[in-house]
Amino acid sequence: EAEVAQSPRYKITEKSQAVAFWCDPISGHATLYWYRQILGQGPELLVQFQDESVVDDSQLPKDRFSAERLKGVDSTLKIQPAELGDSAMYLCASSGGSSDTQYFGPGTRLTVL
Amino acid sequence: KQEVTQIPAALSVPEGENLVLNCSFTDSAIYNLQWFRQDPGKGLTSLLLIQSSQREQTSGRLNASLDKSSGRSTLYIAASQPGDSATYLCAVEASEFGNEKLTFGTGTRLTIIP
Repeated sequence: EAEVAQSPRYKITEKSQAVAFWCDPISGHATLYWYRQILGQGPELLVQFQDESVVDDSQLPKDRFSAERLKGVDSTLKIQPAELGDSAMYLCASSGGSSDTQYFGPGTRLTVL
Repeated sequence: KQEVTQIPAALSVPEGENLVLNCSFTDSAIYNLQWFRQDPGKGLTSLLLIQSSQREQTSGRLNASLDKSSGRSTLYIAASQPGDSATYLCAVEASEFGNEKLTFGTGTRLTIIP
């Protein structure tokens, strides 16, 4: 069964450093989402792509976060510089075809020291 | 702005019991509602998706209902098993500023006691 891939699974960094996360959606899925999930809370959408275009980045802290999906396939989310409050699980999801269901990857657990 | 609430935040029940998880949302103009399962430190697995025109969906021992007008959904788990222990999240999909968006609740952490 096709899955959403994410790497790395875990990342520990010091504040002020740069970090990057990678996501490879299910093949053929045009829509890709990045979510942030703080411990004990539900995921919150950071950015949504339709193919290579951003359709919603209203909750993305653009002073330090950036996201790209250059060829409309895989995507990278970057944080520079990282802050203590960025410690969270970063989840990628994709959807496509005739289904509304979003399929989630295993996530990247970020710890900022 | 859509808000999704899940009560209780945590629930422990003995193995074999039937149980109900609750979800409420503030804006009834939704496209669909989904229930997800999340194991500790892992991603989300979609369990059931109910379209706004539907009343319920069933998958095995799981049954989800939707009352859009009252802004409520329930997830019923029959004959609970220790493997059902996880956090269960509900999410509603609605249009916000012209884009379809999922809004999640904070989840119910379920523990099934053997």
